[in-house]
Amino acid sequence: AQKITQTQPGMFVQEKEAVTLDCTYDTSDPSYGLFWYKQPSSGEMIFLIYQGSYDQQNATEGRYSLNFQKARKSANLVISASQLGDSAMYFCAMREGPRGSRLTFGEGTQLTVNP
Amino acid sequence: NAGVMQNPRHLVRRRGQEARLRCSPMKGHSHVYWYRQLPEEGLKFMVYLQKENIIDESGMPKERFSAEFPKEGPSILRIQQVVRGDSAAYFCASSSLGQPSGNTIYFGEGSWLTVV
Repeated sequence: AQKITQTQPGMFVQEKEAVTLDCTYDTSDPSYGLFWYKQPSSGEMIFLIYQGSYDQQNATEGRYSLNFQKARKSANLVISASQLGDSAMYFCAMREGPRGSRLTFGEGTQLTVNP
Repeated sequence: NAGVMQNPRHLVRRRGQEARLRCSPMKGHSHVYWYRQLPEEGLKFMVYLQKENIIDESGMPKERFSAEFPKEGPSILRIQQVVRGDSAAYFCASSSLGQPSGNTIYFGEGSWLTVV
């Protein structure tokens, strides 16, 4: 079974609009962490936002927010006021367990922001 | 990303040659992770190392691949007798903790291996 599922291979959004990138996860461990990374065409992995399983509030970082719905096991990334520079591949990832050290990544969503 | 240094950024090898990829973690970080990204895919965990120790190598192919993180110097991912299927981007990440959370894990810019 997939640990991390990103069901949208590609998404399009108009500049200045908001977009939601979906991510669902599968774990039986009560302690886990969820990450979102951006990978532009240049290839580097850029950390965007993190949500811990015990965090009471949804994480926010500037224009990025994480819609964390624990019961549904979803951790969708919301980008507000999209910019052309947001065009990139976006990956959701999970770290499992209190001693978990490695990240499991989804297959990614290619976001294109149109002018 | 700042601080995790990977080199070379791009490497071309002929089939059968050896590839060596280096990773210097962020200053103060003692935990290093290697991930592989095949074309059009997400990153896949390969190995987790601390200084002079391999903690988890469950993602490493059983043959031809090895990794080390010596007491002094960078972590090295070595691929012997490369084949075309080894062509991928190899990412190194480091953290100060064995349980990365938030922005405590940092990725390098990746090393792109092309096998011809």
